[in-house]
Amino acid sequence: GAGVSQSPSNKVTEKGKDVELRCDPISGHTALYWYRQSLGQGLEFLIYFQGNSAPDKSGLPSDRFSAERTGGSVSTLTIQRTQQEDSAVYLCASSLLQSSYNSPLHFGNGTRLTVT
Amino acid sequence: DAKTTQPTSMDCAEGRAANLPCNHSTISGNEYVYWYRQIHSQGPQYIIHGLKNNETNEMASLIITEDRKSSTLILPHATLRDTAVYYCIVRVDGGSQGNLIFGKGTKLSVKP
Repeated sequence: GAGVSQSPSNKVTEKGKDVELRCDPISGHTALYWYRQSLGQGLEFLIYFQGNSAPDKSGLPSDRFSAERTGGSVSTLTIQRTQQEDSAVYLCASSLLQSSYNSPLHFGNGTRLTVT
Repeated sequence: DAKTTQPTSMDCAEGRAANLPCNHSTISGNEYVYWYRQIHSQGPQYIIHGLKNNETNEMASLIITEDRKSSTLILPHATLRDTAVYYCIVRVDGGSQGNLIFGKGTKLSVKP
């Protein structure tokens, strides 16, 4: 079946502009995660959605970052007033079950964001 | 901080078994060990996970020591396409996150 889909695959924006990144999780997956990966670095957790529960926003680096998940499916990560340090690959993942340590995360191929 | 320790890099000859070690000495009783890999320009790919028993699937085998303080991922016949960064992760306990904390991983280079 289809995996996690992210769009756009690449985004170049000017400093100060807002951007929206989209994630389509695997159908039926109730949990959705956003990570980012800077060049040559590991993955940094940003935010986690589970069903209708309030999202865990503990990883968001500033109030310029926000995310929403509509209808328990598609998610949008929004970065306002982008800065050059926001340049990174933004990865979305989904998993089948809530907080189940026996439920693997499946990742998309990410959106490469470049802020000029 | 990641709860695992892995070598920074390893080499393996094509066709030979690749054995990737991981230390997780502070692992809790209900925490699973997960392995992912990331090939350049792609998202992380799930490989395998386990709790305390050894596990095998079509991609790899996972050997977990009896005290669960370390594990080894085995790729039985490495190919050039297995060149990637391999991440050993302990699934974080508690809260509502259930997210994975990625460390720096092991860069595996499979050579012809």
